[in-house]
Amino acid sequence: NAGVTQTPKFQVLKTGQSMTLQCAQDMNHEYMSWYRQDPGMGLRLIHYSVGAGITDQGEVPNGYNVSRSTTEDFPLRLLSAAPSQTSVYFCASSLSQGNNYGYTFGSGTRLTVV
Amino acid sequence: AQSVAQPEDQVNVAEGNPLTVKCTYSVSGNPYLFWYVQYPNRGLQFLLKYITGDNLVKGSYGFEAEFNKSQTSFHLKKPSALVSDSALYFCAVRAAAGGGADGLTFGKGTHLIIQP
Repeated sequence: NAGVTQTPKFQVLKTGQSMTLQCAQDMNHEYMSWYRQDPGMGLRLIHYSVGAGITDQGEVPNGYNVSRSTTEDFPLRLLSAAPSQTSVYFCASSLSQGNNYGYTFGSGTRLTVV
Repeated sequence: AQSVAQPEDQVNVAEGNPLTVKCTYSVSGNPYLFWYVQYPNRGLQFLLKYITGDNLVKGSYGFEAEFNKSQTSFHLKKPSALVSDSALYFCAVRAAAGGGADGLTFGKGTHLIIQP
């Protein structure tokens, strides 16, 4: 049981480049989400999905796109990277949006935009 | 909107002493409350949760937390700190009713440093 798997673990991008951060879970969780973690800011919600084919914006969605074609995968796309997107990105999943089990987190992707 | 406040950026405790990491919250209706721990270069790990029932919740690694509805607090505690408890701790809240599109809202985190 792998849980939540994020790839890559580290990435350096040049300003203006695009890339996709991958997230996959094998727990048949309906709810998946992306957070970014910045020093002194805690975790801020970027986008979330309550099931395949359904996505919505969180607190800080600008500059990011998501899609959810399968239950297992929830990739995060940066269309044109900016230095302000330098951060650590975490994917999290939960059995459902309304459950009380909390989240399972991936190990994170550390992104640097130069 | 729901929110979480962790008033201390850092807490320093001597090994063997009791520790407390503070958390207060704001949410519409009844809360679901969580504590997570993050070790360096790792993801967040679940410690414990309050959903309903007994106000004192016990979790992993000897940690416990006390839910106080009148003070809207959910402080994390441990009777005797270990050096290995040194990490970043996050409190999180969500509304119990209706799920909520916001999911979990996290505090900014508290660095816990246990000194030998």
